Amino acid sequence: KAGVTQTPRYLIKTRGQQVTLSCSPISGHRSVSWYQQTPGQGLQFLFEYFSETQRNKGNFPGRFSGRQFSNSRSEMNVSTLELGDSALYLCASSASPGVGNYGYTFGSGTRLTVV
Amino acid sequence: AQTVTQSQPEMSVQEAETVTLSCTYDTSESDYYLFWYKQPPSRQMILVIRQEAYKQQNATENRFSVNFQKAAKSFSLKISDSQLGDAAMYFCAYRTSINGGTASKLTFGTGTRLQVTL
Repeated sequence: KAGVTQTPRYLIKTRGQQVTLSCSPISGHRSVSWYQQTPGQGLQFLFEYFSETQRNKGNFPGRFSGRQFSNSRSEMNVSTLELGDSALYLCASSASPGVGNYGYTFGSGTRLTVV
Repeated sequence: AQTVTQSQPEMSVQEAETVTLSCTYDTSESDYYLFWYKQPPSRQMILVIRQEAYKQQNATENRFSVNFQKAAKSFSLKISDSQLGDAAMYFCAYRTSINGGTASKLTFGTGTRLQVTL
C-alpha cells in the first residue's frame, strides 16, 4: 500500500509569490492534516480536511489556505509568501477524523524556502 | 490548551545500550492519547508507539516501551538494545480523545535528537 505522497519535495520561492503544495493520502484514507515544522516554532497544526470540508484550522493567517478533492487528495496554498514561511510542510492522513489512538501516517514533507 | 514538554534537546546512547527520553504534558482532560514519533533525516514522521490514557498498562512495541505516569503527566520512551538506525529526532505528541472540532490535531513537543554511537 503506497504511503502518503507529498509533492514537490523541495521548493524555492521569492517573497510575495504564492505556492501550492500537494498531498495524496494513503488509499482509502479520507482525512488529511497539514503541519508546519520550523526550528523556532516546532510542529504546528495548520488545518485538517475530511470529505472535502475543512474541519479544523490552526492559528495561522488567512494567507494559508487549503482544499481537498473528491479523491481525498489535498492541496495547501500560501499566498504573498514571507521569509518566515520557510519551513517543512508535513501532511498526515488517517482513515477518518478522530481515528483515536491509531495516530496518523505522515508524508516526507515539502521543504519550502522563501528568498 | 494542552502543552507537551520535552526537556532533553539532545541525548546520546551507545549501540546496544538503553536510553530513556522524557516527555511531560499538561491537560485538564482525563482521556486522551499519547504518541511517540520518530523523524529520521528522511523527514518522514514515523509512529513509534502509542498509549491510551485509560489503559494502565504501559505500551510496548519490540525494543520500544513507555513509562506512562498519568498522575504525574509523564510519558517517557525507553529504547532498549539501541541500534544505529534509531538515530533520529523523537517527538512526543498528545491528542484528545474527544472527536470533532479541533480535537483531532496533534500537539507536539519540541523534540529530542538521539545520537547512537558505536
